[in-house]
Amino acid sequence: LQLQESGPGLVKPSETLSLTCTVSGGSISTSSFFWGWIRQPPGRGLEWIGSFYYNGATYYNPSLKSRVTIFGDTSKNQFSLKLHSVTAADTAMYYCAKTYSGSYGGYDNWGQGMQVTVSS
Amino acid sequence: QSVLTQPPSASGTPGQRVTISCSGSSSNIGSNTVNWYQQLPGTAPKLLIYNYNQRPSGVPARFSGSKSGTSASLAISGLQSEDEADYYCAAWDDSLSGHVVFGGGTKLTVL
Repeated sequence: LQLQESGPGLVKPSETLSLTCTVSGGSISTSSFFWGWIRQPPGRGLEWIGSFYYNGATYYNPSLKSRVTIFGDTSKNQFSLKLHSVTAADTAMYYCAKTYSGSYGGYDNWGQGMQVTVSS
Repeated sequence: QSVLTQPPSASGTPGQRVTISCSGSSSNIGSNTVNWYQQLPGTAPKLLIYNYNQRPSGVPARFSGSKSGTSASLAISGLQSEDEADYYCAAWDDSLSGHVVFGGGTKLTVL
């Protein structure tokens, strides 16, 4: 199973960051797995953004919840992240990932990551 | 400020045993499984330990995990130079409708 992030690498302040994760070798419609987004600001640690389950259920980081939407497109086997009203603090490497079976937050497959910079 | 607390750094010489701690609370480590990740420079994190002490296929037996109450530990025995990396603990937290929490990460240096 492979995951690949895609989207703009540069976003202007106050705009919406939109990223898509394309999954190959597996289906996002499979039960028991969560599909998530994790980010890492330059030189800093990992921050969980949120996750999506095949039945449409979502979980979000409480500190980002007001600005985040995660959703899936089963026809394309993709899931997406939208982060609204971005600032420079949202500059980070963004990873999409899949959990191991039965886990809410143990991610055993990761994309290579996508660098997103927020700047005018 | 991360919800899970890790020491920012750790070090050891080749062949030594090193442990990295991860302190949480009753809503995360105290009631849910702990996962550990290894992140080599310039790469995506890799799941190292899951369900407290299980190793994914391909992870050497030198790596082990444990938990006691609201704390967890990662142990690396027979330290090797290629173990130099950042290590993160993570767990599900039952508060605020549920979410994943990470430790701040520990940079392991092999002297």
